[in-house]
Amino acid sequence: GQQVMQIPQYQHVQEGEDFTTYCNSSTTLSNIQWYKQRPGGHPVFLIQLVKSGEVKKQKRLTFQFGEAKKNSSLHITATQTTDVGTYFCAGNTGTASKLTFGTGTRLQVTL
Amino acid sequence: ETGVTQTPRHLVMGMTNKKSLKCEQHLGHNAMYWYKQSAKKPLELMFVYNFKEQTENNSVPSRFSPECPNSSHLFLHLHTLQPEDSALYLCASSLTSASTDTQYFGPGTRLTVL
Repeated sequence: GQQVMQIPQYQHVQEGEDFTTYCNSSTTLSNIQWYKQRPGGHPVFLIQLVKSGEVKKQKRLTFQFGEAKKNSSLHITATQTTDVGTYFCAGNTGTASKLTFGTGTRLQVTL
Repeated sequence: ETGVTQTPRHLVMGMTNKKSLKCEQHLGHNAMYWYKQSAKKPLELMFVYNFKEQTENNSVPSRFSPECPNSSHLFLHLHTLQPEDSALYLCASSLTSASTDTQYFGPGTRLTVL
């Protein structure tokens, strides 16, 4: 079955440093979504990418979708303590919603 | 708040008990989902309902029985569970079950099976 892997599993940065998480799917995706889950919380939708090579920005967050639509990345510039949480990518392979979530990257930010 | 509520927030049950989890969405959506989030495993899609009809059962054991009486409510009936079923059970909703529709998650029910 489809698998979605993320690396790294965990990253600890100092506030102000940059952070990147990478997402790789075993199959070609129709779209990819990114979610953030704070400790003790639930996943919250961040963004969706649909087109090959698409790049979207949300303030300090930059999201990319690979040309082959099998990988994606999330880059955070100048991390803040409010960025703490686990970031998940989730992919669809068809037109119906059947999200396969990635393994997640847990981000810890300290002062 | 996302407009998706779940009750109870925490549940402890024995393997012989029968219990139900409830999810309600106030967003006017037509699709609802159950996910399981276990420690050290990715979120797993369990069931999808679209306009009250089940459209996806992701090989879930029959000890989990979903029910969707209307587009706003979703239940997960539990019976004779195993300790490995202990997890966070998350409900989500979206406008339709199209893959491009954003899913909004509830706070989850933390289930412990003794």
